[in-house]
Amino acid sequence: GAGVSQSPSNKVTEKGKDVELRCDPISGHTALYWYRQSLGQGLEFLIYFQGNSAPDKSGLPSDRFSAERTGGSVSTLTIQRTQQEDSAVYLCASSFSGRDYNEQFFGPGTRLTVL
Amino acid sequence: AQSVSQHNHHVILSEAASLELGCNYSYGGTVNLFWYVQYPGQHLQLLLKYFSGDPLVKGIKGFEAEFIKSKFSFNLRKPSVQWSDTAEYFCAVGFSGTYKYIFGTGTRLKVLA
Repeated sequence: GAGVSQSPSNKVTEKGKDVELRCDPISGHTALYWYRQSLGQGLEFLIYFQGNSAPDKSGLPSDRFSAERTGGSVSTLTIQRTQQEDSAVYLCASSFSGRDYNEQFFGPGTRLTVL
Repeated sequence: AQSVSQHNHHVILSEAASLELGCNYSYGGTVNLFWYVQYPGQHLQLLLKYFSGDPLVKGIKGFEAEFIKSKFSFNLRKPSVQWSDTAEYFCAVGFSGTYKYIFGTGTRLKVLA
């Protein structure tokens, strides 16, 4: 596609349920990032994938969060046993490579609300 | 530890006023600097970036930013804002040789018509 796409755009769930958020990066981009955007908190780095290398999971806030990237393309962020503090906008971004000088292209985000 | 600070969280200006948004970072090495903008209901998008060379960089829609290495700053400026500049602005820093970026907490700009 022309840009990064994410689905669903909105997700409302009950506390304790699991959710899966999907990201389709721009074709040919080898680097993929997940961020969490909370009100007044800026963008919080969650996880980074580069090609077939092992991901950098250092930003995941707890072991309830996990992510995978299949075939170097589509990525899924999974949150198990959701809590109210997980409510946020989850953003995915991709770039041509993972180097620091590359522009990141962002998707529209998934707004997660945990009741 | 590496960090990025945006000091202005909310800014309200009238049309035609001049804008300067502050961004400071803490890191002793080489950095690459970005400003991203998020218009209401839209994706985050790149406004401008600095990698090397002329420390005054120009971006889209009349924005510019100046990298002052001695001050660890990369402030965003626009001489005359428009109502359509109402958005949230994020400063981001990439640290040389790494893939990690740190984003500031953002500045919400509201321009009154």
